[in-house]
Amino acid sequence: DAGVIQSPRHEVTEMGQEVTLRCKPISGHNSLFWYRQTMMRGLELLIYFNNNVPIDDSGMPEDRFSAKMPNASFSTLKIQPSEPRDSAVYFCASSTSPRVGRSEAFFGQGTRLTVV
Amino acid sequence: GNSVTQMEGPVTLSEEAFLTINCTYTATGYPSLFWYVQYPGEGLQLLLKATKADDKGSNKGFEATYRKETTSFHLEKGSVQVSDSAVYFCALSSDNTDKLIFGTGTRLQVFP
Repeated sequence: DAGVIQSPRHEVTEMGQEVTLRCKPISGHNSLFWYRQTMMRGLELLIYFNNNVPIDDSGMPEDRFSAKMPNASFSTLKIQPSEPRDSAVYFCASSTSPRVGRSEAFFGQGTRLTVV
Repeated sequence: GNSVTQMEGPVTLSEEAFLTINCTYTATGYPSLFWYVQYPGEGLQLLLKATKADDKGSNKGFEATYRKETTSFHLEKGSVQVSDSAVYFCALSSDNTDKLIFGTGTRLQVFP
């Protein structure tokens, strides 16, 4: 398996533009997580899905952020409109269980977002 | 609430030196504890884990022991290599939440 695949690897956009980040989890994994990594705040869990259903989105910073998982093999994280403070590395991870204490979470290589 | 505290980096060592990266946690119940490693330009990878008190996780020469009495899970390696240079994250997952909660990460730099 190719692992968790994220695209694009790098994204530079202007403030106010819509940004869509994409993730393909490992086949057979039924839990998917979106994280954001910044120097100031470290790794933050934004939202996670189990069997394509959002379970906990309490980490989503505000209404500008939205995430979908239309099927078991694809998820998107959208920011509209984007702001410079959204600049970060966004990671997607997948697991065979939402109980990450019981199964390993596999991370993608991340999308580095820069909003200018 | 649940939280993880790691020692600040960077930690700079010479090759073959002994490594300790401290990690303490606050959690209700009986959490599982993890160390993840992030190499430059990559995502996080699970390094080792322990799911109950006194368990020792180990992998690639790294070890960490789950100490409930001191709420700690310190990462150790007897002899580091240049290839161990990376950022190391301590994390926990408790029984009353499905989330992985990460520490802020500790950057390790190993020089020849």
